[in-house]
Amino acid sequence: DARVTQTPRHKVTEMGQEVTMRCQPILGHNTVFWYRQTMMQGLELLAYFRNRAPLDDSGMPKDRFSAEMPDATLATLKIQPSEPRDSAVYFCASGLVRGVRGSMNTEAFFGQGTRLTVV
Amino acid sequence: AQTVTQSQPEMSVQEAETVTLSCTYDTSESDYYLFWYKQPPSRQMILVIRQEAYKQQNATENRFSVNFQKAAKSFSLKISDSQLGDAAMYFCAYRSAGGAGSYQLTFGKGTKLSVIP
Repeated sequence: DARVTQTPRHKVTEMGQEVTMRCQPILGHNTVFWYRQTMMQGLELLAYFRNRAPLDDSGMPKDRFSAEMPDATLATLKIQPSEPRDSAVYFCASGLVRGVRGSMNTEAFFGQGTRLTVV
Repeated sequence: AQTVTQSQPEMSVQEAETVTLSCTYDTSESDYYLFWYKQPPSRQMILVIRQEAYKQQNATENRFSVNFQKAAKSFSLKISDSQLGDAAMYFCAYRSAGGAGSYQLTFGKGTKLSVIP
């Protein structure tokens, strides 16, 4: 049963601490998205990778957020230093894009999210 | 930039009845996809139904169907024979069709659906 795995499921941390969230995309998927969900803003795209290369991270606050894909089986989202306004649910999603025109062959599958609370 | 609007923050329906959730969107593109996602209390985002803009026929998946009005940029979800397990947040979403474009989803703010026994 292929699924996107996110760890941890829940994280409570103090303001100023570093937070790292991890995502294991579905094997064979070459596109990874990070979304953030808050009550006020809803679901927003933070970053987007294709074949491990960042294609769009315009939604991410660059001063404190960073996203990487060290290898094809791991995507990370790091916040340093964390602030109370970062409290949200962070979703990772993966999909497969291929073909000359880059058509998306599968829709994005979402992980169960990491609920982050910064106190 | 594309925008997606869900004007109903909350809806309720009696079990076994039918309910329709509304969604409108704004885009200058002619080729795109529209989706409805369900998010139950478990937080898992579950794809309910997908519509390709170039297809005139409305998509259906069992008890779920859509009314896609391309000219009006409207995309509503109809749930027939509502069940208790349908209670969740429902998100309407838009994605470009690809090519040189990106593949991220643009979401509406969601509609919370309650099902009354």
